[in-house]
Amino acid sequence: AQTVTQSQPEMSVQEAETVTLSCTYDTSESDYYLFWYKQPPSRQMILVIRQEAYKQQNATENRFSVNFQKAAKSFSLKISDSQLGDAAMYFCAYRSGDAGGTSYGKLTFGQGTILTVHP
Amino acid sequence: DTEVTQTPKHLVMGMTNKKSLKCEQHMGHRAMYWYKQKAKKPPELMFVYSYEKLSINESVPSRFSPECPNSSLLNLHLHALQPEDSALYLCASSQTSTYNEQFFGPGTRLTVL
Repeated sequence: AQTVTQSQPEMSVQEAETVTLSCTYDTSESDYYLFWYKQPPSRQMILVIRQEAYKQQNATENRFSVNFQKAAKSFSLKISDSQLGDAAMYFCAYRSGDAGGTSYGKLTFGQGTILTVHP
Repeated sequence: DTEVTQTPKHLVMGMTNKKSLKCEQHMGHRAMYWYKQKAKKPPELMFVYSYEKLSINESVPSRFSPECPNSSLLNLHLHALQPEDSALYLCASSQTSTYNEQFFGPGTRLTVL
């Protein structure tokens, strides 16, 4: 079974600074997807960024980028120029590539990191 | 329309009540999911529907009964719940179950007295 570990229960950052959230995972599969989801206090879970395991290039979405180290099974999220609206709980998640078609898109989540942004 | 909607936003029920949660999407997605989330914890998958058929039941107690009447609608029927079932219930949808992005609704905050 796959596991996802987020070792930082809480992180804080000053507005306009950069912060990195850590995520490691364990899997024996070669085909999979990794995600970072954001859940602000208003509750709605939003996809921040995704990475396909077969792609060597790190994904970027505006101020959000990942450092994907496949051999080390590490998938960290870097938030640049942090904004007050970035304050939220961030979840790292794993999804099997599911060649056998039995996982039905099941996501395995880490325990989450609460990010506080200070003005 | 790129939304997943859930009603009601809040629900308070007694242990003998019967209630239902509703989830709707009009994005043409054919996979829909129910999650349970406790405070400051990650979502836990409960059920997956793929093409209106129940594909995954994560050993959820029978007091939770899912239903997918059509491709746009997902219900979760609740009966004889326990106080420990109080949580945020999230619905999500995906283009298909093999597509890699799930879109989440805002959730229903359920309190069982």
